[in-house]
Amino acid sequence: AQSVAQPEDQVNVAEGNPLTVKCTYSVSGNPYLFWYVQYPNRGLQFLLKYITGDNLVKGSYGFEAEFNKSQTSFHLKKPSALVSDSALYFCAVGESGTYKYIFGTGTRLKVLA
Amino acid sequence: EAQVTQNPRYLITVTGKKLTVTCSQNMNHEYMSWYRQDPGLGLRQIYYSMNVEVTDKGDVPEGYKVSRKEKRNFPLILESPSPNQTSLYFCASSFRVGGAPRNEQFFGPGTRLTVL
Repeated sequence: AQSVAQPEDQVNVAEGNPLTVKCTYSVSGNPYLFWYVQYPNRGLQFLLKYITGDNLVKGSYGFEAEFNKSQTSFHLKKPSALVSDSALYFCAVGESGTYKYIFGTGTRLKVLA
Repeated sequence: EAQVTQNPRYLITVTGKKLTVTCSQNMNHEYMSWYRQDPGLGLRQIYYSMNVEVTDKGDVPEGYKVSRKEKRNFPLILESPSPNQTSLYFCASSFRVGGAPRNEQFFGPGTRLTVL
């Protein structure tokens, strides 16, 4: 079965510092990987995805993610965190062979001023 | 404005009283899906639909029903709600290209359901 793991429930980072939110996956076949962000009392918003091609994917709001096939990871990064980046972040994978999407448990990012 | 709408946004009901949560999208998306969000469990997919009259189970379909009679609408039906269905529910939609789940989803604002 395909799965996604977000090993950290919460990540704290100081404003201006780089941030990383971790995601590892287990899939059979080609991985279709996504990051979403959820602000309080809102639905999820798409940040970026990896389908094929370059291992470094750039997305919205200055976020990027690095796909690493050998480590089966898809970590979300940003060079300089903003307080407004504080939110709940979800990694997801599209399950090939079906049309199911599997989400991780989420990581709460807190950016401290 | 491109959007996914859900109604109601908040609902408190009692065990066994049938309810329907509506979902509508105006982006002509083929794919629609329902999720529930619970603390510590993330989002779990309940049902999805790849097009009109085509639906399939996600990971947690028990206690739920769906139908897709029109492309824009995908209602979620709880025939006999129970307290363990208390949750935050999200509807989502996306284009469907080819035979793989490679498209980003657009999410509705959520419906917070409490079953007493």
